Amino acid sequence: DAGITQSPRHKVTETGTPVTLRCHQTENHRYMYWYRQDPGHGLRLIHYSYGVKDTDKGEVSDGYSVSRSKTEDFLLTLESATSSQTSVYFCATMRGSDTQYFGPGTRLTVL
Amino acid sequence: TQLLEQSPQFLSIQEGENLTVYCNSSSVFSSLQWYRQEPGEGPVLLVTVVTGGEVKKLKRLTFQFGDARKDSSLHITAAQPGDTGLYLCAGAGNAGNMLTFGGGTRLMVKP
Repeated sequence: DAGITQSPRHKVTETGTPVTLRCHQTENHRYMYWYRQDPGHGLRLIHYSYGVKDTDKGEVSDGYSVSRSKTEDFLLTLESATSSQTSVYFCATMRGSDTQYFGPGTRLTVL
Repeated sequence: TQLLEQSPQFLSIQEGENLTVYCNSSSVFSSLQWYRQEPGEGPVLLVTVVTGGEVKKLKRLTFQFGDARKDSSLHITAAQPGDTGLYLCAGAGNAGNMLTFGGGTRLMVKP
């Protein structure tokens, strides 16, 4: 358990509105990740961070941006939400290598 | 791009039965992990296998890493309703800080 919290846990929004999801960790892990989980696709990496202000794109980064201004916080922003971004979003952290610890998830619905 | 394919996608069995879940790829991974996810929660690490041919046991669960480090299996003996959940395999690349997830196997064990 890496003391990971995600907020909000549930959100319903309308197409075209901006949305920001927050991930907060208390274990000072270096790496942080944002995934989306959809039926039949498992977990797909959106963006990740390897340090403060150091981020990179993952497999499905289009339409998403991230920021990491502090070690403990990693924000995921949907600039203009679309229905295809309806999903469950998971944040994860990793201390060294291999073992990722996951947050409880945020269920986002875009109408 | 490294891909991991899990089979079967769904499995519904009676309590007491045995089952095997497979995770296959054409790529070599430095290690392979198995996670279990319950509804409304994030995935939780069960085991990491690192060496080709390695076998690890966790109570009634047996994990094996293929000799070529391209595939893995999870065998559950005498399944119980508490084993119900989504099982995910994930392969780590050489750097160790990036995981590729399989699509998952959703297991239901009926009493």
